[in-house]
Amino acid sequence: QVTLKESGPALVKPTQTLTLTCTFSGFSLSASGMRAGWIRQPPGKALEWLARIDWDEDKFYSTSLKTRLTISKDTSKNQVVLTMTNMDPVDTATYYCARITSTAAFDIWGQGTMVTVSS
Amino acid sequence: QSALTQPASVSGSPGQSIAISCTGTSSDVGGYNYVSWYLQHPGKAPKLMIYEVSNRPSGVSNRFSGSKSGNTASLTISGLQAEDEADYYCSSYTSSRSYVFGTGTKVTVL
Repeated sequence: QVTLKESGPALVKPTQTLTLTCTFSGFSLSASGMRAGWIRQPPGKALEWLARIDWDEDKFYSTSLKTRLTISKDTSKNQVVLTMTNMDPVDTATYYCARITSTAAFDIWGQGTMVTVSS
Repeated sequence: QSALTQPASVSGSPGQSIAISCTGTSSDVGGYNYVSWYLQHPGKAPKLMIYEVSNRPSGVSNRFSGSKSGNTASLTISGLQAEDEADYYCSSYTSSRSYVFGTGTKVTVL
């Protein structure tokens, strides 16, 4: 059974850096073809894709947020980490991690973690 | 990358069929057969319902079907049930090696 779970701070201050961790089980990000990524959803708004990391360390980012995002993985811990710099209140959202298939489907999602940006 | 366009809301009576459209461009929906659909109940994570335009993951009811014509994809729900009331999002791979989601559609069962 594949599961993912996000963890991180519930509250960050403006200008701070957010670090989120996705801990997963049931698959290995070192296996050929495996991919995982992050998606966020502001309250009452639509989903927005943020970043993806592949089994071979290839990384892809949302064009609009590319300068603020870094995605990495720790294969030994089955974790994917997302950092987002210079947080702003507009970044308040639920952040999800998900496994991504080779045909661009987000097939398994974590439960999400709500992050509020406020001073 | 602009969000894919979906109707804000669609409604139907139990047993009816409804369709949700998802309009993009030749750089996303029209350029790839990598359109997927997600159901999201309030306060819950999205759930994959359709992938590669028209394929259903194991366990998803065959009342859900997908199609695509040009730059517009569609999700059809037949035999509408109360449990289908939720938000629905489409997603597509893009030519810039990224992903784009739709604006979301709220489905109401009357």
